[in-house]
Amino acid sequence: AQTVTQSQPEMSVQEAETVTLSCTYDTSENNYYLFWYKQPPSRQMILVIRQEAYKQQNATENRFSVNFQKAAKSFSLKISDSQLGDTAMYFCAFKIARDDKIIFGKGTRLHILP
Amino acid sequence: DAMVIQNPRYQVTQFGKPVTLSCSQTLNHNVMYWYQQKSSQAPKLLFHYYDKDFNNEADTPDNFQSRRPNTSFCFLDIRSPGLGDAAMYLCATSSGSEGWGYEQYFGPGTRLTVT
Repeated sequence: AQTVTQSQPEMSVQEAETVTLSCTYDTSENNYYLFWYKQPPSRQMILVIRQEAYKQQNATENRFSVNFQKAAKSFSLKISDSQLGDTAMYFCAFKIARDDKIIFGKGTRLHILP
Repeated sequence: DAMVIQNPRYQVTQFGKPVTLSCSQTLNHNVMYWYQQKSSQAPKLLFHYYDKDFNNEADTPDNFQSRRPNTSFCFLDIRSPGLGDAAMYLCATSSGSEGWGYEQYFGPGTRLTVT
């Protein structure tokens, strides 16, 4: 069975700082996808970044980047130059290619402080 | 803009009174999902459709049912809501193919209150 673990229930950082959110997962599959989703307070969930397991290069989307360590089954999210609008719940998620479902971690609540 | 729409955004129902939540999508995605999300928790998958094929999660209570009459619409029926069913209900869609990166697109949710 696949599991996703986010070990940081809550974090706070000052605006403009860099913050890293941790995620580990467990699977015996080789073909899978990893995601970070953002859910701002009272707003809908959106995809932040996606990583295909077969790609060695870490995904980057503007201020968001991941550190994907396949052997260690680790998938952390780095937010650079954090902004007040980054305040949200962040969910790490995992999907086997052959399955329609994704598995969410429990989430990390991130507060960006002015 | 292509999107996932959920109606209503807020729903209040009485204990035991059936309620239906609706979801529509303009993305023409094959897969539609219903999640239940309680405060500060991860979304919990209730069931999903791949086209007309219905997939129920093993731990989804029988009180929850779903219908997907066509590609665009999906409904969540709660036959006899209990206080424990008060939650945010999220609808999501996915193309189901690698070309779209398997991303799920979420609606804004319906917040259900049971009185």
